[in-house]
Amino acid sequence: DAKTTQPTSMDCAEGRAANLPCNHSTISGNEYVYWYRQIHSQGPQYIIHGLKNNETNEMASLIITEDRKSSTLILPHATLRDTAVYYCIVPSGNTGKLIFGQGTTLQVKP
Amino acid sequence: DTAVSQTPKYLVTQMGNDKSIKCEQNLGHDTMYWYKQDSKKFLKIMFSYNNKELIINETVPNRFSPKSPDKAHLNLHINSLELGDSAVYFCASSPRTASTIYFGEGSWLTVV
Repeated sequence: DAKTTQPTSMDCAEGRAANLPCNHSTISGNEYVYWYRQIHSQGPQYIIHGLKNNETNEMASLIITEDRKSSTLILPHATLRDTAVYYCIVPSGNTGKLIFGQGTTLQVKP
Repeated sequence: DTAVSQTPKYLVTQMGNDKSIKCEQNLGHDTMYWYKQDSKKFLKIMFSYNNKELIINETVPNRFSPKSPDKAHLNLHINSLELGDSAVYFCASSPRTASTIYFGEGSWLTVV
């Protein structure tokens, strides 16, 4: 199972870009990187995922390094509602089991 | 319309009771899951069903028994509830195994 490491917490000013890093140095060639977030008292929410190429959707962008050993989730214009715990996950095996670590607690400040 | 819905949202019950949490998804997904989030906020998978077949069964006490009557439903039954069972239980689903997972809003279980 590819393990991920993330900073425990980060702050971001409202309206600025939030860049959340993740290391996954043991990732295999066919394993995806997924990002989820959990806003207080809500269920985890899917954000984005990628394999090799950078990805963008309406919520965020995902930048994956060429060696695939790390990635960065970018929230281009963070709002107060983006305050949450962000999880970087490499699903386990072919069952797709998600192993959640402690994630990064992002605090967006006015 | 809620994609993954769980009932009840809140449940307070006494030790030793038996309770069930129901989950339904209207996404047409083949795979469903139960996750538990304890007081330390760690999310851990408990069970996963694919097309009504159990495919993940973590080291969960056998007081916990999942039941999947059809692909759209995965219920969690808990016997002889203990104080340590107090947690938030999340149901989730995905189109198939190893694909994006969508979570419900959680069921807050408090055992007193």
